[in-house]
Amino acid sequence: DTAVSQTPKYLVTQMGNDKSIKCEQNLGHDTMYWYKQDSKKFLKIMFSYNNKELIINETVPNRFSPKSPDKAHLNLHINSLELGDSAVYFCASSQGRRTVSNQPQHFGDGTRLSIL
Amino acid sequence: TQLLEQSPQFLSIQEGENLTVYCNSSSVFSSLQWYRQEPGEGPVLLVTVVTGGEVKKLKRLTFQFGDARKDSSLHITAAQPGDTGLYLCAGLPTGTYKYIFGTGTRLKVLA
Repeated sequence: DTAVSQTPKYLVTQMGNDKSIKCEQNLGHDTMYWYKQDSKKFLKIMFSYNNKELIINETVPNRFSPKSPDKAHLNLHINSLELGDSAVYFCASSQGRRTVSNQPQHFGDGTRLSIL
Repeated sequence: TQLLEQSPQFLSIQEGENLTVYCNSSSVFSSLQWYRQEPGEGPVLLVTVVTGGEVKKLKRLTFQFGDARKDSSLHITAAQPGDTGLYLCAGLPTGTYKYIFGTGTRLKVLA
């Protein structure tokens, strides 16, 4: 069974479109995250939710809107896509309310977003 | 802005060689994690270190957390092609609750 699954794996779309990425975890974790990995492989946190509550909201354009319908799901909606949004987006989950120091983050396999 | 610098950025070595990857910062961390990421996949946790000076071994991999908890190293003995991948350190700055990731080290081990 896949622990953290993201869909779609690949997303190719035109500039200006709106798209969503879905994430589900079956680990029973309380906290979920969205990360962005750029072309240089730098991984940067975007958002974090704990039991449907937003707890981390980094400096991200408000075109990005996360939604957590329940603690096992965290979706990411992106409006008016721009060229600079091209990246790999990773969903992750961990146990505990905050990022507890010894708790691992379990990552999905990423969604490769390409803007034409 | 807190930054975790990894060195080297790229490393290509022959099977059987030893190597060390460094992760340095001016910030103090409550804990530090090392991940390995393979192409087309997400990062996978290798180890978490929480005590200054701590050394952890995972088969041929040895991880060390600096005494001041500002830096860490990963040493691989007798590297194998299966060790090829992107190695990422991630630190939890004291007083915060979000990990920051290092700049990454891309390792290629040639057979």
